[in-house]
Amino acid sequence: AQTVTQSQPEMSVQEAETVTLSCTYDTSESDYYLFWYKQPPSRQMILVIRQEAYKQQNATENRFSVNFQKAAKSFSLKISDSQLGDAAMYFCAYRSGNTGTASKLTFGTGTRLQVTL
Amino acid sequence: GAGVSQSPSNKVTEKGKDVELRCDPISGHTALYWYRQRLGQGLEFLIYFQGNSAPDKSGLPSDRFSAERTGESVSTLTIQRTQQEDSAVYLCASSVVPLAAYEQYFGPGTRLTVT
Repeated sequence: AQTVTQSQPEMSVQEAETVTLSCTYDTSESDYYLFWYKQPPSRQMILVIRQEAYKQQNATENRFSVNFQKAAKSFSLKISDSQLGDAAMYFCAYRSGNTGTASKLTFGTGTRLQVTL
Repeated sequence: GAGVSQSPSNKVTEKGKDVELRCDPISGHTALYWYRQRLGQGLEFLIYFQGNSAPDKSGLPSDRFSAERTGESVSTLTIQRTQQEDSAVYLCASSVVPLAAYEQYFGPGTRLTVT
């Protein structure tokens, strides 16, 4: 079974600074996808960024980028120029690329990000 | 509507009562997922539907939990004889098809409190 581990329960960053959230995962599969989701107090899960395991290039979405280390099974999220609106819970998630098992997302326990002035 | 909707937003029930939680997926999405999020935890997969059938029910925690989907649209998650450990936020998501390349869009969840 796949597992996702987020070892930082809480992180804090000053506005306009950069912060990195850590995530490691365990899998025996070679075809999979990794995700970072943001959950503000409204509870709505919002997809921040996605990485396909077969792609060597790290995904980037505006101020959000990932450092995907496949051999180390590490998938960290970097938020640049942090804004007050970035404050939320961030979840790392794994999804199998195998057609027969590509149903569920497996989530880590989350990192609560605070953004201070 | 444009997104996934869930009702009720909040539900308080007494231990031992049955509850029904509803999910309306995005129109045209064939895949529908239920997750549970306990306080301070990540989301746990419960069940997913492809059309009206449920190929994967592996996350349902006990036989008190059941779900159905009708008309390839609305889904209902039913919890019978609720227990205090059932208190959680129940989130629903939908996607065009159940493949990893297709994003799962989440609803706002139902917060269930069992007293």
